[in-house]
Amino acid sequence: DAGITQSPRHKVTETGTPVTLRCHQTENHRYMYWYRQDPGHGLRLIHYSYGVKDTDKGEVSDGYSVSRSKTEDFLLTLESATSSQTSVYFCATRQGREVNTGELFFGEGSRLTVL
Amino acid sequence: SQKIEQNSEALNIQEGKTATLTCNYTNYSPAYLQWYRQDPGRGPVFLLLIRENEKEKRKERLKVTFDTTLKQSLFHITASQPADSATYLCALAGANNLFFGTGTRLTVIP
Repeated sequence: DAGITQSPRHKVTETGTPVTLRCHQTENHRYMYWYRQDPGHGLRLIHYSYGVKDTDKGEVSDGYSVSRSKTEDFLLTLESATSSQTSVYFCATRQGREVNTGELFFGEGSRLTVL
Repeated sequence: SQKIEQNSEALNIQEGKTATLTCNYTNYSPAYLQWYRQDPGRGPVFLLLIRENEKEKRKERLKVTFDTTLKQSLFHITASQPADSATYLCALAGANNLFFGTGTRLTVIP
């Protein structure tokens, strides 16, 4: 295991409330990612980080923000949750520079339900 | 934009048989392709990577092929076991991202 911990693992919230998901890694991997997984869509990248305070948008970044103040922590924030953000969120890390050859290590996922 | 299709949502096979899963892609020419396994309620786990100049890659009972002309990868599990039951995802590498298919749920029947 790559030592990736996501918290909380389950959360139910109401529309319009802020939500923060945390990803913590113990492997000192440089790259970290947030994906969401929905039926019929597979895993889609929300945001990623290539170093402390270095982040960039993925393909479904609207409504999400991220922060990475330490190598080991990558936070995903929903400023005002909507029902369309009900999903399972996965954090992943990668050690190497080459996205093409580096395997991703995934956390166990955080199931978020927005009512 | 790129599109990735895995042949079917679900595949049932008898124990001991070879399972073959298909990953097709369009509008893209990836240099590498990866396969992951995902169990219910868990995160995906990396299985194999194959490069565009590799026709075939093997790891124990797993075999992956990559045909850049057909834009297709085949994933084989030989001598399948009930423990192989899971969802298998293919992923194509982009500039800064991996693009995942929706997965095929494999059930190996004892």
